[in-house]
Amino acid sequence: GENVEQHPSTLSVQEGDSAVIKCTYSDSASNYFPWYKQELGKGPQLIIDIRSNVGEKKDQRIAVTLNKTAKHFSLHITETQPEDSAVYFCAARNYGGSQGNLIFGKGTKLSVKP
Amino acid sequence: DGGITQSPKYLFRKEGQNVTLSCEQNLNHDAMYWYRQDPGQGLRLIYYSQIVNDFQKGDIAEGYSVSREKKESFPLTVTSAQKNPTAFYLCASKAGVMMEAFFGQGTRLTVV
Repeated sequence: GENVEQHPSTLSVQEGDSAVIKCTYSDSASNYFPWYKQELGKGPQLIIDIRSNVGEKKDQRIAVTLNKTAKHFSLHITETQPEDSAVYFCAARNYGGSQGNLIFGKGTKLSVKP
Repeated sequence: DGGITQSPKYLFRKEGQNVTLSCEQNLNHDAMYWYRQDPGQGLRLIYYSQIVNDFQKGDIAEGYSVSREKKESFPLTVTSAQKNPTAFYLCASKAGVMMEAFFGQGTRLTVV
């Protein structure tokens, strides 16, 4: 089945700098890759997603890139702000026996220092 | 407002007791999911349901049970057979198998 690896597990940046989180997946049949942001004590919220027919997608300060050949995708946050501090999860859609269920990475704790 | 509501936010259980976590959605979504989250871990799938009166085991179903008698409700019971139940539990729903998932705010279960 699908396996998603996420790096780094923790990331600390200065306010205004960029942050990059990387994920790799194992199932070449996966074709949907969402990113979720989880604030302390809350449920994850979808912040951006990308499908396999697109190489890059951008939404204001957030962008996601996908390399299907290498089977990896990345989240890029530019001009980071303290409110970007949270845990970020990547995920990939598994088309195997799980009927399209999401397989999640283990998360990256991002800290943005003022 | 449409959304997913999990209750309670915090739950304490004595060892050997069963407890039921509530998940209700008014998004008219067909699919509902239960995940378990432990510190430093990703979200692990416990059970999911694609349609009323049908549900499937996820990756870590042992010690848990669910029901799906109504479209809007998908309660999770943590039984005494679950050896390490202390965790953060998340419920999610999707309009369809290939649609994006929306999460509730979670229930933190602690065994005392």
